[in-house]
Amino acid sequence: DSGVTQTPKHLITATGQRVTLRCSPRSGDLSVYWYQQSLDQGLQFLIQYYNGEERAKGNILERFSAQQFPDLHSELNLSSLELGDSALYFCASSIKGQAYGYTFGSGTRLTVV
Amino acid sequence: GEDVEQSLFLSVREGDSSVINCTYTDSSSTYLYWYKQEPGAGLQLLTYIFSNMDMKQDQRLTVLLNKKDKHLSLRIADTQTGDSAIYFCAEVANSGYALNFGKGTSLLVTP
Repeated sequence: DSGVTQTPKHLITATGQRVTLRCSPRSGDLSVYWYQQSLDQGLQFLIQYYNGEERAKGNILERFSAQQFPDLHSELNLSSLELGDSALYFCASSIKGQAYGYTFGSGTRLTVV
Repeated sequence: GEDVEQSLFLSVREGDSSVINCTYTDSSSTYLYWYKQEPGAGLQLLTYIFSNMDMKQDQRLTVLLNKKDKHLSLRIADTQTGDSAIYFCAEVANSGYALNFGKGTSLLVTP
């Protein structure tokens, strides 16, 4: 157990729907990062939050959004889902910046049908 | 943009050494990382090296860094079947906050 908790582990939904993925960071970590892993694109950085504020943005689609709450858990919202959004979504956390590497959760596997 | 490059597959016999290579893109990266992903699991940080080092050894793992060629390698000594996994190298992105990952090297260890 890495200490980073992601729920749900698996999610199957239809095209056009909206889903919310949840992440609880490791105790004491202030930063949360979201990554998408697909076979063709590999691991793509989506977005980072630090202590409730958005810190950095990567290849995140406009249909996707995220937030970090006062208790530091984070949610990734995916809307108007397309088949191509099927992927593993990972959350990672770190104490502050990236300097000492992230701790990853075990991911949420999203299947859009 | 440029990508972090890794070979996709490596197969070794149990007991042999494995060497996984990576070419990164940003010469100003302060830290470079190796992560391991087992089936159905998240990425586990294996080791990292600071950019002012040439080599770092951690038990069976040896990381070599060639800054001039922007080349990073991970050597696993006495490779075991439990080492079968996907290995990712990662560099710090230009933003300074995210990591750029290679597409991973799938290591298969055969008895």
